[in-house]
Amino acid sequence: EIVLTQSPGTLSVSPGERATLSCRASQTVSSGFLAWYQQKPDQPPRLLIYGASSRATGIPDRFSGSGSATDFTLTISRLEPEDFAVYFCHQYGRSPDTFGQGTRLEIK
Amino acid sequence: QVHLVQSRSELKKPGASVKVSCQASGYTFSNYAMNWVRQAPGQGLEWMGWINTNTGNPTYAQGFTGRFVFSLDTSVSTAYLQINSLKAEDTAVYSCAREGALSGSFDIWGQGTMVTVSS
Repeated sequence: EIVLTQSPGTLSVSPGERATLSCRASQTVSSGFLAWYQQKPDQPPRLLIYGASSRATGIPDRFSGSGSATDFTLTISRLEPEDFAVYFCHQYGRSPDTFGQGTRLEIK
Repeated sequence: QVHLVQSRSELKKPGASVKVSCQASGYTFSNYAMNWVRQAPGQGLEWMGWINTNTGNPTYAQGFTGRFVFSLDTSVSTAYLQINSLKAEDTAVYSCAREGALSGSFDIWGQGTMVTVSS
C-alpha cells in the first residue's frame, strides 16, 4: 500500500502569513489522485483539494494544492483565524486508499 | 444541503455486534458511492472499503473482511456498517464518506460514530 508521510507534524504560523504543508508518498500516486482535507475538533473532515490541485466547491482561493508523483503540497496563502485546524492528505489512485497522519496548524 | 448523519455512539461488550447507520439527505443516494473509514484512538485514518449504492455490491479493504458488513436501505437513503464478534481493538470512530462524482476523493463526511468495546 502507498504510505503517505506528512510534515511537519505541527506547524506554528501567525495569522496573515503563509503556511506550507507537505505530503510525501512512498510510491507514485496515479494521475495525481491526491486530496487534502481540513478537520476541526468535533467536526467531520472538509474536502479542500482533489486531483492534487483542484479546489473543491466553496473553498477560498487562499487554499492551493500542487505537486505530482510522490511529492505534494498544500499552501494556505494568508492564514485566517478559522484556518487553524488539522490537515490531512489522502491518496485514492491505488487501492487501498490511504491517508497521511495529519499536520496540526496552530496559531503562533 | 447535502448531509450524512450517523447514528449515536455505542458501548458494546466483546463478542457482541453493532450496526452503525449513515443517512444521506440533499442528493440522489444511488448516484454516489459510499466509503467507510475508521480512526482508532491515537491512530490515523484507515479506509475500510466502499459500497456501490446502485448495485449494493461491497468492496472490503484487507483487514476488514469477515466480521465487517456494508449494506444499504435505499428506501431511506441509508448505508450501514455492521461489525460482528466485536473485539476491544475495534474501539474507534467509524465514519461514512461520500465519494465525489468527479473524483475518488470524499466530498461529504458523516460526523462519525464512536464504538467502544469493553467488558
